[in-house]
Amino acid sequence: DAGVIQSPRHEVTEMGQEVTLRCKPISGHNSLFWYRQTMMRGLELLIYFNNNVPIDDSGMPEDRFSAKMPNASFSTLKIQPSEPRDSAVYFCASRIADRFNEKLFFGSGTQLSVL
Amino acid sequence: QKEVEQDPGPLSVPEGAIVSLNCTYSNSAFQYFMWYRQYSRKGPELLMYTYSSGNKEDGRFTAQVDKSSKYISLFIRDSQPSDSATYLCAMSAAGTPLVFGKGTRLSVIA
Repeated sequence: DAGVIQSPRHEVTEMGQEVTLRCKPISGHNSLFWYRQTMMRGLELLIYFNNNVPIDDSGMPEDRFSAKMPNASFSTLKIQPSEPRDSAVYFCASRIADRFNEKLFFGSGTQLSVL
Repeated sequence: QKEVEQDPGPLSVPEGAIVSLNCTYSNSAFQYFMWYRQYSRKGPELLMYTYSSGNKEDGRFTAQVDKSSKYISLFIRDSQPSDSATYLCAMSAAGTPLVFGKGTRLSVIA
């Protein structure tokens, strides 16, 4: 199994530009999570999906952030317009939604730098 | 008070030392407790998983959960340079997403 695949690995953009981050979860996993990691705030949950349906987006910082999951094998996180304070590592993670199994599998992350 | 508190370190120990990493939490509904290890420029990976209270041992690693004190620990015996990483505690109530600590950066010096 290839694991959770994220692209791009690195993204450098200028303030005001649109940024799209992509994620392919592990086949068979029906929950998908987007996290953001910074030194100051640690790992923060932005949004998660169960069976392609957004369940909780209360962690999305503001309307500039949006996420979609059009099918079970693909999700995007979009920032429009981007700002320097959005610079962080963005992780996608997936798991099987099981009452007794909360094991999350993470991708390698996208390092975003907004200049 | 944050839901999960974890000392960020950094923690530096000599090879062979016993390492103790800890987290405290405030939500009494938490019943799933995990430790993730994160190497530089990588995503976190699950290291230990415990349901409710008690101890769990896996090789050189031991996880402890004390629900009465809302305190969890990870012990690493005979620490190795390859254990150098950031360790994140994580926990959740049933059916809710994991809440992570900020992580403790560990360096094991040969």
